[in-house]
Amino acid sequence: QVHLLESGPGLVKPSETMSLTCTVSGGSLSSSSYYWGWIRQPPGKGLEWIGAIYYSGYTYYTPSLKSRVTISLDTSKNQFSLKLSSVTAADTAVYYCARLFFSGWLLDAFDVWGQGTMVTVSS
Amino acid sequence: QSALTQPASVSGSPGQSITISCTGTSNDVGTYNLVSWYQHHPGKAPTLIIYEGSKRPSEVSNRFSGSKSGNTASLTISGLQAEDEATYYCCSYAHTTILMFGGGTKLTVL
Repeated sequence: QVHLLESGPGLVKPSETMSLTCTVSGGSLSSSSYYWGWIRQPPGKGLEWIGAIYYSGYTYYTPSLKSRVTISLDTSKNQFSLKLSSVTAADTAVYYCARLFFSGWLLDAFDVWGQGTMVTVSS
Repeated sequence: QSALTQPASVSGSPGQSITISCTGTSNDVGTYNLVSWYQHHPGKAPTLIIYEGSKRPSEVSNRFSGSKSGNTASLTISGLQAEDEATYYCCSYAHTTILMFGGGTKLTVL
């Protein structure tokens, strides 16, 4: 059974770059059957898709965050990462990593989720 | 592009059925049969309950069903149980944003 676990600093200062890592166990990031993605939920708000990466390194990003987001993967460690630059209080949220399957060439649904990690942006 | 539109809240009594709508546009829900639904209990990870509009993962109860008409997708929960109380999110493939979530619907079981 695949498990995902997010890790990273819980507090980041405004204007800095936030970095989170998702460690995958029970499955391989090198699988051609899935993308690996990040989703966030600000306090009191709904879910927001951030982006996703394929084992080849191909990435998709949501347009509103594209200029500040980088998703990468390290198959040797079975981890993928999220970097979000120039953070503000609006980036305060619970960040989830998740496995994403696709239909044809189109992204489909998130079938395995991590427990989420809270990141607060504050000085 | 705005999120998919869901009602903020719905409620029902145990044993009843409820339906949650998810309205998009011809750029997302109306064109692609790639709507998924997630159940989210506070403090826990969301779980997938419907994908590709109406398909159900094997471990999900058949009390959950999905459908679509035009630009609106719907999630129906029949035989409401106390443990169904949660927030439900729809998500769709979208032409411009690739993936888009709805704002979420809080289900209260009375």
